[in-house]
Amino acid sequence: GAGVSQTPSNKVTEKGKYVELRCDPISGHTALYWYRQSLGQGPEFLIYFQGTGAADDSGLPNDRFFAVRPEGSVSTLKIQRTERGDSAVYLCASSWTSETDNEQFFGPGTRLTVL
Amino acid sequence: AQSVTQLDSHVSVSEGTPVLLRCNYSSSYSPSLFWYVQHPNKGLQLLLKYTSAATLVKGINGFEAEFKKSETSFHLTKPSAHMSDAAEYFCVVSLGSTLTFGKGTMLLVSP
Repeated sequence: GAGVSQTPSNKVTEKGKYVELRCDPISGHTALYWYRQSLGQGPEFLIYFQGTGAADDSGLPNDRFFAVRPEGSVSTLKIQRTERGDSAVYLCASSWTSETDNEQFFGPGTRLTVL
Repeated sequence: AQSVTQLDSHVSVSEGTPVLLRCNYSSSYSPSLFWYVQHPNKGLQLLLKYTSAATLVKGINGFEAEFKKSETSFHLTKPSAHMSDAAEYFCVVSLGSTLTFGKGTMLLVSP
């Protein structure tokens, strides 16, 4: 079956621009997660949704970052006034529920480059 | 607070020799622990997970890990490395719904 998909796979933008990154989770998964992986580092948690609501957004670095999941399926991560330090691979994952030992299935990521 | 420390950024082995990737964790409570693998240009894949059942956990592709509470360790092992095992490996701890990743260990396998 289809896994988690993310679009675009690569995004190059200029400092100060606005970007949107899309995640399509596995059908039926109620929990959706966003992580950011900088070069040479492990992924870092940003935000997760249970259904349509953001259950935990404590990992968002500042108010330039925002994410939505209006119908409980597809999610969009939005970054305003991008900075060079936002350059990273943005990973999306989904799981059946948000319980601790539920396996999270990861997408291939979107590589964001801010020039 | 919870965290994991992967003790080696790179590990080099020859094909057919054993693999040991080391991980220590810190957690206030009984954690759930995972190992994920990331092949180039592919998504993260779960290798195995520990969730307070058996302390020796078997995963995919011949990997296993042993939870040692007294040592706060969760090292990943494999008896015999294959070329296809070359990838980056992440030790991960979870206390709630979110995952906290280590910095990763790059496994290099030479013929």
